[in-house]
Amino acid sequence: DGGITQSPKYLFRKEGQNVTLSCEQNLNHDAMYWYRQDPGQGLRLIYYSQIVNDFQKGDIAEGYSVSREKKESFPLTVTSAQKNPTAFYLCASSAEYSRETQYFGPGTRLLVL
Amino acid sequence: GESVGLHLPTLSVQEGDNSIINCAYSNSASDYFIWYKQESGKGPQFIIDIRSNMDKRQGQRVTVLLNKTVKHLSLQIAATQPGDSAVYFCAENRGAGNMLTFGGGTRLMVKP
Repeated sequence: DGGITQSPKYLFRKEGQNVTLSCEQNLNHDAMYWYRQDPGQGLRLIYYSQIVNDFQKGDIAEGYSVSREKKESFPLTVTSAQKNPTAFYLCASSAEYSRETQYFGPGTRLLVL
Repeated sequence: GESVGLHLPTLSVQEGDNSIINCAYSNSASDYFIWYKQESGKGPQFIIDIRSNMDKRQGQRVTVLLNKTVKHLSLQIAATQPGDSAVYFCAENRGAGNMLTFGGGTRLMVKP
């Protein structure tokens, strides 16, 4: 079953804690993306990666960090600097960083304790 | 297509009727557009896309229309079914690369 997986489904963060969200794809896609979705709103781009070992800031990168050491993996760390982290986080991938359809994973809901 | 926060525009249709969901986009240079369907608690699911060199594209039970003159995109769903109930988002490619701008979404409710 090919596709994009995200884990965990739910994640709880304590004040001052860094947490890491996992995103894995077995589609052999070059480009990967992280979005944040707040209730009743559209998606906003946090970070994207055109190719392995490369990543760029999106529209709302402050308080987040990423890495792209392997083609299939693009983990997102929500740092303590992100003051309002409660949201639904979505990972996506596309074959290339061009006019290609982005396919989404099932999402991770992050809640602050 | 602009976000209205927690109060999503809602379209309520009767099962079997046709649905039309509209989206206004902002960038006249956008040349690639996508419609996504998102069910509660799940990731967006690709429905159909269209490039700016076309004004209409059809899929299975869905049609996307693009009017570049007024920067308007619509999604038509034929014979709407209860399983079509979801939030629908349009997205436009911003220009170089593959960065997308998403609209705020429209909730489709199908009455049996």
